[in-house]
Amino acid sequence: EDKVVQSPLSLVVHEGDTVTLNCSYEVTNFRSLLWYKQEKKAPTFLFMLTSSGIEKKSGRLSSILDKKELFSILNITATQTGDSAIYLCAVHTGGFKTIFGAGTRLFVKA
Amino acid sequence: DAGVIQSPRHEVTEMGQEVTLRCKPISGHDYLFWYRQTMMRGLELLIYFNNNVPIDDSGMPEDRFSAKMPNASFSTLKIQPSEPRDSAVYFCASSPDWGRGEKLFFGSGTQLSVL
Repeated sequence: EDKVVQSPLSLVVHEGDTVTLNCSYEVTNFRSLLWYKQEKKAPTFLFMLTSSGIEKKSGRLSSILDKKELFSILNITATQTGDSAIYLCAVHTGGFKTIFGAGTRLFVKA
Repeated sequence: DAGVIQSPRHEVTEMGQEVTLRCKPISGHDYLFWYRQTMMRGLELLIYFNNNVPIDDSGMPEDRFSAKMPNASFSTLKIQPSEPRDSAVYFCASSPDWGRGEKLFFGSGTQLSVL
């Protein structure tokens, strides 16, 4: 059965800290891995990764994929209170499914 | 573009009542999805449409749930009769090229509470 596992499930840090969120997957016919940020309501897109070893960056956020070891990480440097959210990892398969992980709840203290 | 539009934002109803959730996808997006999110189960796909045709409804919990997409700009998710365990946030999402692994655009969701 296809699955996506995120860790940790929750995390509390102080402003300025760097955090690393993990996403591992076991799926048949991998197509892409996507990261979303969910604040109050709707998940919003952060990154899409399809190739191993190529880092995607957007400001203080970056992400990389390892297709050999079947995982991805999302890094946030110099965290701010506005980074507090649920971070969702999703894997899209060739079987036309998008499988979401349970999410990591990040809380950044001022 | 206004993004994916869902209504209502909040719905409180009593057990046994019919509930209808509505969604307007982003214009030009060929794929439309209905998801349900709970603390226990996270985000679950209920059903998705491609060009207004239901493709995979294997996530629909039971016969009490039904979804339609009469045209490219409107979809409904109906629960009849509703039960307390249906309480969740229901998201509609659309995508222009999801079949190739592209991202989803989510609406703001409908918070459903069944008493």
